[in-house]
Amino acid sequence: GQQVMQIPQYQHVQEGEDFTTYCNSSTTLSNIQWYKQRPGGHPVFLIQLVKSGEVKKQKRLTFQFGEAKKNSSLHITATQTTDVGTYFCAGDRGSTLGRLYFGRGTQLTVWP
Amino acid sequence: GAVVSQHPSRVICKSGTSVKIECRSLDFQATTMFWYRQFPKQSLMLMATSNEGSKATYEQGVEKDKFLINHASLTLSTLTVTSAHPEDSSFYICSASDPFETQYFGPGTRLLVL
Repeated sequence: GQQVMQIPQYQHVQEGEDFTTYCNSSTTLSNIQWYKQRPGGHPVFLIQLVKSGEVKKQKRLTFQFGEAKKNSSLHITATQTTDVGTYFCAGDRGSTLGRLYFGRGTQLTVWP
Repeated sequence: GAVVSQHPSRVICKSGTSVKIECRSLDFQATTMFWYRQFPKQSLMLMATSNEGSKATYEQGVEKDKFLINHASLTLSTLTVTSAHPEDSSFYICSASDPFETQYFGPGTRLLVL
C-alpha cells in the first residue's frame, strides 16, 4: 500500500495566494526530501529535512518536518506562475541504502 | 547540487528490440543508483535499486529478465529494456544517491515502442 500519503493531489491558486502540500508517513522517517517537477521535466531536489521539528526556508518556500518525523509540509507564500509544477515529498525510512518512498505529488497550477 | 546525466533523452524503437539507457553521476561517486518509471501525471514508481559491483534489487512485480540493470562503476548504471513492447513505453528516470543519501535525478529517457 501507499507508504507516504500526500495531499492534495491538485491545487489551483490565483497568483499571489499561498499554497501548502502535506505529507504523512505510516512509519517514522530518518529524513524527508522534497522535489519539484516541472511539466515535461524531471524531479529536481529542493531540500532535505533530517531533524525532528525542523523548519527550513528557501525564499518563499517553507518546509517543516514534524516532531514525530512522520509528517512534513511545504508552504509557498505568495505564489508566482514560476511555481507551477508537481511537488513530491519522498521519505527515507533509513532501511535500504537511501531508498525513498514517494508521495503521489501535488500538482500546482497558478493562474495569473 | 550534484549532476546526473542520462542518455538517450528520447528513443523510439520497434517492438521486439532492446534498448539500453545509461545513467551517469558526473561529479560524485554513487554506490547506489535507482531506476524509476513514471506514467503521465503520476508519481515515480521505483523499479530497482542498483548497487555498484553487485546484483540489483528489484521491486515486487518488476521482471528482472525484462529490465536488466548493470552498475559497472561508481559513476555508471545502465538499464536495458529487453524485447521491448508498446506497454513498455514510458518515462524512465534514474537517480544517484550522494553520501548524505540525497537523490539527484537524471533528466529522464522517454521511450516509445512502436
